[in-house]
Amino acid sequence: EAGVAQSPRYKIIEKRQSVAFWCNPISGHATLYWYQQILGQGPKLLIQFQNNGVVDDSQLPKDRFSAERLKGVDSTLKIQPAKLEDSAVYLCASSRGAESEQFFGPGTRLTVL
Amino acid sequence: ELKVEQNPLFLSMQEGKNYTIYCNYSTTSDRLYWYRQDPGKSLESLFVLLSNGAVKQEGRLMASLDTKARLSTLHITAAVHDLSATYFCAVDMGWAGGTSYGKLTFGQGTILTVHP
Repeated sequence: EAGVAQSPRYKIIEKRQSVAFWCNPISGHATLYWYQQILGQGPKLLIQFQNNGVVDDSQLPKDRFSAERLKGVDSTLKIQPAKLEDSAVYLCASSRGAESEQFFGPGTRLTVL
Repeated sequence: ELKVEQNPLFLSMQEGKNYTIYCNYSTTSDRLYWYRQDPGKSLESLFVLLSNGAVKQEGRLMASLDTKARLSTLHITAAVHDLSATYFCAVDMGWAGGTSYGKLTFGQGTILTVHP
């Protein structure tokens, strides 16, 4: 079974620019997550989707971050405008349901200059 | 707010030795996960612990959960170089903690280095 796919793998932008990340979950997984992992820390949940609905986005900085999962499969996470402190690895994960084990993608490493 | 603390944060071991990583958490929870992360890589699931007293073993690693003490341990037996990585515990409060499932809170991670 194919794993969680993410693209791009690396992105370098200047502050105040916009950036978007894409995630394709494991086939059949209804729940999708976006995490932010700052260097030297554990991942922090940004948003959780169940199919195409948002379950939890309490830790998403909504003034600059947005995410969608329109058809309940792929998802995009956008940052607009980016700040220096957004430099991190953005991990996408998926699970069959919210109570199931989460499987992580390879991540997108974002550097904001 | 759920807090998850791991210790030690850094662990340097000799091959063949045993050691334990501890994961303490602050709020009632009924499931806990252990992940491994190699440098520049994503997270690999090691163990899922779903109930009090749960113990799981895979190779040289054994994980346990004590929900009453709000403590999980990851025990390493006869360490080998291939175990060098960062290990994270992650707690899902779930319904026991008054929320829905899936919202994982991770510890800071334990960087394990195994020397010959």
